[in-house]
Amino acid sequence: DIQMTQSPSSVSASVGDRVTITCRASQGVSNWLAWYQQRPGKAPKLLIYPASSLQSGVPSRFSGSGSGTDFTLTINSLQPEDSATYYCQQATAFPRTFGGGTKVEIK
Amino acid sequence: QVQLQESGPGLVKPSQTLSLTCTVSGGSISTDSFYWSWIRQHPEKGLEWIGYIYSSGSTYYNPSLRSRVSMSIDTSRNQFSLSLRSVTATDTAVYYCVRSGGGPWGQGTLVTVSS
Repeated sequence: DIQMTQSPSSVSASVGDRVTITCRASQGVSNWLAWYQQRPGKAPKLLIYPASSLQSGVPSRFSGSGSGTDFTLTINSLQPEDSATYYCQQATAFPRTFGGGTKVEIK
Repeated sequence: QVQLQESGPGLVKPSQTLSLTCTVSGGSISTDSFYWSWIRQHPEKGLEWIGYIYSSGSTYYNPSLRSRVSMSIDTSRNQFSLSLRSVTATDTAVYYCVRSGGGPWGQGTLVTVSS
């Protein structure tokens, strides 16, 4: 299985800050990498797939980059509604695997 | 737009079989363009991909669960199903049905394994 490692596991930032989350794959996944946002009690929501393509309706303050084994999710100008847990997932091999998640909290 | 909804018992006894159904609305499940997956999330934990099924009935299961999992699809009802045998407390989780390509996702259903 491809192992996905996210860092940090949690981050606390103020409204307006820039937040960066990294995801590393144990082997190359090309650009077949998805980012999800999960708010408490809700299903994950797709933000970016593949690696740098913003899904329709997702605010432009979210952006993704990377290819191969190293990827980044950036939230520019953090907003209160961005408080959530973010997951990366590789979509190049089965079984699909997820990162452990990054909890973003607002100070 | 396409919506998915899980249904099934919220409580299952240890050693029994967990059975869930996902009903797809707003679109046909009989398409080669997508596969249909189950994903679970243990309480306060991360996400675990269980497997997928195509409308043809072709399946792939996570090797970690392969010995206990089976999936089926009923195109006439626009539904697909998950069976997980010989459950233990470690199978307690929120179970999601998901269309490939990142979604949509069902709202999730909590299944608790307990006597």
